[in-house]
Amino acid sequence: DAMVIQNPRYQVTQFGKPVTLSCSQTLNHNVMYWYQQKSSQAPKLLFHYYDKDFNNEADTPDNFQSRRPNTSFCFLDIRSPGLGDAAMYLCATSRDRLYFGAGTRLSVL
Amino acid sequence: AQKVTQAQTEISVVEKEDVTLDCVYETRDTTYYLFWYKQPPSGELVFLIRRNSFDEQNEISGRYSWNFQKSTSSFNFTITASQVVDSAVYFCALETSGSRLTFGEGTQLTVNP
Repeated sequence: DAMVIQNPRYQVTQFGKPVTLSCSQTLNHNVMYWYQQKSSQAPKLLFHYYDKDFNNEADTPDNFQSRRPNTSFCFLDIRSPGLGDAAMYLCATSRDRLYFGAGTRLSVL
Repeated sequence: AQKVTQAQTEISVVEKEDVTLDCVYETRDTTYYLFWYKQPPSGELVFLIRRNSFDEQNEISGRYSWNFQKSTSSFNFTITASQVVDSAVYFCALETSGSRLTFGEGTQLTVNP
């Protein structure tokens, strides 16, 4: 059974049109992460939550926001997607190690 | 600062060959964790192993084995008798108490029939 679920698996948006990616978990873990992974690169941490405490990485663009309404759900909002934001977005939770979702592949037209 | 180096960008082997993926790490912390993840073409990152810095025992899991050497700061991964299904990108990663997980750049392994 999937423990970290990301919806949708594929998302297409238009340049400048806001988009939201979703992540849910059944593990009841306190920590949730959002990573961005561009083609042929390692995943790059955007931000993470420890419970409701939000921690932004220093180099995460302001264009990226996140919400965590409860323990189970976390959202990634891209306010004005640019062509350079096309990537795989990975959600993860952690206890002794990272548990990743299957990812959402975002295309920007 | 933490750093993970996977010097091999791409490796191509023929099925049934053994293959070793190299990982070298840098940290000043004495307590840390090392990981290997597999990323098949579908994109999901699959956990393979977690090893803490105080446990230098090598580990074997089926066709997979890991060699941890603190003296050389290496945590190498060997696949014995490789199969086409092993084709994927493999990431080595490092976590310390003061920092988030640091990934290496990954090694693309292609196993040809």
